[in-house]
Amino acid sequence: GAGVSQSPSNKVTEKGKDVELRCDPISGHTALYWYRQSLGQGLEFLIYFQGNSAPDKSGLPSDRFSAERTGGSVSTLTIQRTQQEDSAVYLCASSEYNEQFFGPGTRLTVL
Amino acid sequence: AQKVTQAQTEISVVEKEDVTLDCVYETRDTTYYLFWYKQPPSGELVFLIRRNSFDEQNEISGRYSWNFQKSTSSFNFTITASQVVDSAVYFCALSEPIDYNQGGKLIFGQGTELSVKP
Repeated sequence: GAGVSQSPSNKVTEKGKDVELRCDPISGHTALYWYRQSLGQGLEFLIYFQGNSAPDKSGLPSDRFSAERTGGSVSTLTIQRTQQEDSAVYLCASSEYNEQFFGPGTRLTVL
Repeated sequence: AQKVTQAQTEISVVEKEDVTLDCVYETRDTTYYLFWYKQPPSGELVFLIRRNSFDEQNEISGRYSWNFQKSTSSFNFTITASQVVDSAVYFCALSEPIDYNQGGKLIFGQGTELSVKP
């Protein structure tokens, strides 16, 4: 079946602009995660959605970051007023039980 | 606090050599899961194995094997007879289950870059 998909694959933006990154999880997976991979920080957890429960936002680095998951499926990660330090690969994963399956990521470059 | 340490930043071996990637973890929980993921040059994280804290049995899958030792909080990964296609960054990760069936966020180590030369 189809895996986790993310769009766009690459995004270049100017400092101060807002960006939206999209994640389509594997059908039927109830849990969805966002992570960020950057050279200096490695792989970091950002936010986690599980069913209808309140999301775990404990990894979001600032209030410029937010995420939604509509209808228990597609998720959008929004970064407002982007900064150069936001440049990274943003990874989405979904799971049904304990194995998280990752998408190909969105490479964000903030100029 | 949870933490995963992969002390080896880079390893270089020649094809057919065996190689072991080290992983040491810290957690206060008695129930947790450990994982290994592979990230080839293409960039996508590929799941390799999951082990829960109650199962210390070692596992072998083809050329891959994993040694889980709770006494030393380690979950090491060995590739036997390495091949060029094994070249990748390997991540060890830890998670605490949210409930019986569902895992929580992954805490990753910094990764070990393995280079296998022909």
